[in-house]
Amino acid sequence: KQEVTQIPAALSVPEGENLVLNCSFTDSAIYNLQWFRQDPGKGLTSLLLIQSSQREQTSGRLNASLDKSSGRSTLYIAASQPGDSATYLCAVRGETSGSRLTFGEGTQLTVNP
Amino acid sequence: KAGVTQTPRYLIKTRGQQVTLSCSPISGHRSVSWYQQTPGQGLQFLFEYFSETQRNKGNFPGRFSGRQFSNSRSEMNVSTLELGDSALYLCASSSPLAGGPFATQYFGPGTRLLVL
Repeated sequence: KQEVTQIPAALSVPEGENLVLNCSFTDSAIYNLQWFRQDPGKGLTSLLLIQSSQREQTSGRLNASLDKSSGRSTLYIAASQPGDSATYLCAVRGETSGSRLTFGEGTQLTVNP
Repeated sequence: KAGVTQTPRYLIKTRGQQVTLSCSPISGHRSVSWYQQTPGQGLQFLFEYFSETQRNKGNFPGRFSGRQFSNSRSEMNVSTLELGDSALYLCASSSPLAGGPFATQYFGPGTRLLVL
């Protein structure tokens, strides 16, 4: 059974810092890994999707990497801003789980002005 | 393109009642998945529909059911509500024909259900 873990559970940083969020998964047989952002009481916003054959994806100040063999992904946020404050979730789509995404518990990020 | 829409956004029900939630996917998307999000269990997969057929199902009791219409809109029904069903219910759509299992999933804003 696939398990996804995110570390740290919560993170508070001053504005302008570069930061890294970590995601690990137990079963490396995945199609892809997706990073999401969730604001309080809201739905999920897709940030980046990394296919299993890729090593990284970039969008603006965000960069996500994937090491499938070791079951790890990182989300790097450059020059953090207060508007980045949210919960960040990673989810994997397993090769044997159909369309199901397995989610981590998330990292709650607070960026202080 | 309009995003995934869900109605209603908020619901209050009492134990024993039933509820129906609706999800309209992004135009052209034929796959709709449903998830339950609670503080204790996080995000858990309920089921997925594709072309009006349930293609995948999570580990939820039979009180949770769904269906998909020919226009790809989907409904989820929960019968005999329990206090523990209070949650944010999210649906996601994707376009498997365009990307297969590699396609991005796009989520709606969710329906917040409170069972009293």
